[in-house]
Amino acid sequence: GENVEQHPSTLSVQEGDSAVIKCTYSDSASNYFPWYKQELGKGPQLIIDIRSNVGEKKDQRIAVTLNKTAKHFSLHITETQPEDSAVYFCAASPSGSARQLTFGSGTQLTVLP
Amino acid sequence: EAGVAQSPRYKIIEKRQSVAFWCNPISGHATLYWYQQILGQGPKLLIQFQNNGVVDDSQLPKDRFSAERLKGVDSTLKIQPAKLEDSAVYLCASSRGTSGVSYNEQFFGPGTRLTVL
Repeated sequence: GENVEQHPSTLSVQEGDSAVIKCTYSDSASNYFPWYKQELGKGPQLIIDIRSNVGEKKDQRIAVTLNKTAKHFSLHITETQPEDSAVYFCAASPSGSARQLTFGSGTQLTVLP
Repeated sequence: EAGVAQSPRYKIIEKRQSVAFWCNPISGHATLYWYQQILGQGPKLLIQFQNNGVVDDSQLPKDRFSAERLKGVDSTLKIQPAKLEDSAVYLCASSRGTSGVSYNEQFFGPGTRLTVL
C-alpha cells in the first residue's frame, strides 16, 4: 500500500517569512495530493490540492509543487501570519473507485509574531 | 451547506467498556469514511462506505470495532470492549463519491476525542 512521509515534524518561522513542508510517497499509482490544515480541536480542512497532470498550483499565499519522477510534493506558504499556525498534513490518493487518502504524520507550524 | 456533524465531542470510558460514535455526513454525499487519529499522527482510515455498502474495512480491528450505515446516510462506529490503545480522536469524513471523477474532496467533521482509562 501507499506510504507517505512528511518533514519536518515541527517548523517555527517569523511572521512574514516563508514556510516549506515536504512529503514523499511510495505508490507510483497515486495521482491526487491534497494538503489539509488542522487547528486545535477541529477536523482537518482542505487548503489546496494538486493532481498528477499538473506540476505546480498556487492560491494566493499558498502553493504546492509536485515532482512525479522523484515522488515528492511540497507545500509553500509565503508571507506567513500568526493565523497560519496549525498542524499541516499532506496526503496521497491513487486513482480508482476507492480513492482513499493516506496521510503523512503532520507538521506543527508555529508563526512567531 | 451544513458540514459533517459528529457526536459526542468527548468521551471518557474505562477499558473493557463499550462506546459508540455517531456521524451525519454532508447532505447528498455518498461516501463516508471513519478515521482514527492518534495524538501526533495523521488520520488512519478505518472503514469506507459507499452509500450503505462497505468499500474497504481492511484496517478495522473487527474483533472489537464495528460500523454501520444502514440507510446510506448516518453512520455509527462502535468499540466493544475498549482498550487503552484505542485512545484517539475518531474523525468522520464524507465526499460526493461521484463516479467517473478521478478525485473527491473529503470534508471532515470535528471528531470525537476518546480517552480510555
